[in-house]
Amino acid sequence: GQQLNQSPQSMFIQEGEDVSMNCTSSSIFNTWLWYKQEPGEGPVLLIALYKAGELTSNGRLTAQFGITRKDSFLNISASIPSDVGIYFCAGQGNAGNNRKLIWGLGTSLAVNP
Amino acid sequence: SAVISQKPSRDICQRGTSLTIQCQVDSQVTMMFWYRQQPGQSLTLIATANQGSEATYESGFVIDKFPISRPNLTFSTLTVSNMSPEDSSIYLCSVEDLSYGYTFGSGTRLTVV
Repeated sequence: GQQLNQSPQSMFIQEGEDVSMNCTSSSIFNTWLWYKQEPGEGPVLLIALYKAGELTSNGRLTAQFGITRKDSFLNISASIPSDVGIYFCAGQGNAGNNRKLIWGLGTSLAVNP
Repeated sequence: SAVISQKPSRDICQRGTSLTIQCQVDSQVTMMFWYRQQPGQSLTLIATANQGSEATYESGFVIDKFPISRPNLTFSTLTVSNMSPEDSSIYLCSVEDLSYGYTFGSGTRLTVV
């Protein structure tokens, strides 16, 4: 099935560093969602974006809905050890079969204290 | 957001047997979704379960292998039938929460030996 291009695939950073990851698509989406998954858990929603150009923050996390509606990025500032996990982007269209979530392959984040 | 209780959290099963996974939501929802997440991979939608009608399966998934029940607006089950080692995965149920995007259960980690 269709998947989003998410990069980087993995990151290993020092505590305190900023992190940036992004997703691109060949299709236009009406919604971009960013999730975090920790071992043994299901994905947890971090940020939802509903409008092209929208910039939304959730604590140290900031995400933007690309103006072309085909991309989104997630930034994490001043990383801490509990940021460790896999981050997934997901896009969604607006009607019928297009409302299915299309998922990125994930960015695995490791933080060295 | 909706709270999802998924059982069992993990199981080890013999090949050729079947396992039924339960998903209970603390509020009434129209659609429930079942995903598979193979080790180190992203999420793949298996089927969408609507109350009172047959589930809609995605390409590559069939009812005989993954029968789904949806007896009411707060509960669904997914059965993995005639299991083989290739069915070893995390199985996740999800609901669409209009205010919070899609909420996920904590998943069922299945190992088939």
